[in-house]
Amino acid sequence: AQSVTQLDSQVPVFEEAPVELRCNYSSSVSVYLFWYVQYPNQGLQLLLKYLSGSTLVKGINGFEAEFNKSQTSFHLRKPSVHISDTAEYFCAVSVIQGAQKLVFGQGTRLTINP
Amino acid sequence: EAGVAQSPRYKIIEKRQSVAFWCNPISGHATLYWYQQILGQGPKLLIQFQNNGVVDDSQLPKDRFSAERLKGVDSTLKIQPAKLEDSAVYLCASSLEPGQGSQPQHFGDGTRLSIL
Repeated sequence: AQSVTQLDSQVPVFEEAPVELRCNYSSSVSVYLFWYVQYPNQGLQLLLKYLSGSTLVKGINGFEAEFNKSQTSFHLRKPSVHISDTAEYFCAVSVIQGAQKLVFGQGTRLTINP
Repeated sequence: EAGVAQSPRYKIIEKRQSVAFWCNPISGHATLYWYQQILGQGPKLLIQFQNNGVVDDSQLPKDRFSAERLKGVDSTLKIQPAKLEDSAVYLCASSLEPGQGSQPQHFGDGTRLSIL
C-alpha cells in the first residue's frame, strides 16, 4: 500500500518570499507523483506531475518540484509567492501499474501575508 | 472544454435522511472517480468507474453508500441513511484513458454536505 505524509499542516509566508512545501511518500512499488492545489470552495487542480526522466519538474503558476528517490520525497517550491497562491496544496501518489488510484496526503495550507 | 460538473453545490440534511449527488464528467473521459474529503484531510477515494463498470469500491461503505454510472457517462452517488460523520465535501473527478496511472484527474468543484 502507498502512503503520503505532508510534513507541515500550515505554512505562513510573506509575499514575494520563497516557499517549500514538504512531501514524503512510502511505497513498495514504483509510483507517479503529483501536486494538486485547491482554492477555497473549489475542486483540485493539477499543479505538476513526475512520471519519469528529469527529477526537477516544472508546473503551472511558477511552481516546481524535485523528486528524490533515495529520500522518497517530492517537495514543492516557488521562488517568490503571491497573495493569489493562498490555497491548500495536496501531494499524491499513484502506482505505475494498472488503473490510476491516487492516494493523497493530508494537505498543507499555504497562507501568504502582505 | 467544459469541466467536470457537479450538483448540488451545497446540501444540508438531518441524520438518517437520504441524499444524492450528481456528476457529469468531461466528454470522452472513460474513468470516473468519487472522493470524500473531510474537513482538514485529503480526498479519499470512494469508488472508481471505468466506463460503466466498477474498478474499485473497496473504501465505499456499502451499507449506506451506493453509486452508479449508467451508460458510462454521468454518475450519481447516494447516501441512505446519512450519519453525522458523512459531513464532508464529495468530489467527482474524471480522466481520459483507463488503466493509465500517468493520466491527470480533472476535478469538479464538489458538493458540500452538512448533516444536522
